[in-house]
Amino acid sequence: GESVGLHLPTLSVQEGDNSIINCAYSNSASDYFIWYKQESGKGPQFIIDIRSNMDKRQGQRVTVLLNKTVKHLSLQIAATQPGDSAVYFCADQGMDTGRRALTFGSGTRLQVQP
Amino acid sequence: EPEVTQTPSHQVTQMGQEVILRCVPISNHLYFYWYRQILGQKVEFLVSFYNNEISEKSEIFDDQFSVERPDGSNFTLKIRSTKLEDSAMYFCASSLTSGSTGELFFGEGSRLTVL
Repeated sequence: GESVGLHLPTLSVQEGDNSIINCAYSNSASDYFIWYKQESGKGPQFIIDIRSNMDKRQGQRVTVLLNKTVKHLSLQIAATQPGDSAVYFCADQGMDTGRRALTFGSGTRLQVQP
Repeated sequence: EPEVTQTPSHQVTQMGQEVILRCVPISNHLYFYWYRQILGQKVEFLVSFYNNEISEKSEIFDDQFSVERPDGSNFTLKIRSTKLEDSAMYFCASSLTSGSTGELFFGEGSRLTVL
């Protein structure tokens, strides 16, 4: 069935290191992918997105990589800071199927050690 | 910066009672959504709303749920007869457009506790 899932539930990194959060998806019709950050007690906050016609997109300190061959998505955070500590969700959308609602993965908790 | 606001932040109710969760989306947005998140789990889609009608809903959004945009600013989620398993954080979201150009902006959520 359709699913968006994450490899690791918790990732612990040292402040200043780079973080890589991974996500696998199963719906080959998905053509739009988003990473959200959720801090404790708050709603998801958009970080970065990528369309299926791209394999890499960069933002401020963040990069999203998409590998459609293996249906894998990753979020790279450069020089991780304590404020990056949160749960990160990937989400997908299948425009070709007419499914506009986002399907979220189960989340990875990023813990940044000082 | 414009934001989605939700009320109440926390509601405690008895099983079988009706609950209305309220949301004020960003003013120029056209698409509205409700998602829920059971504690420790992923965010799940409930319903999307556009042009005063439901455009998409999930299997979670059964006959006990309804949405309404009673005026030009509020977007509400009603649960007619709450069940224990309805206990969750409910997030409202809005977007200017749909599809891959429609970044969703989420509110801070309404926590519903059903006893």
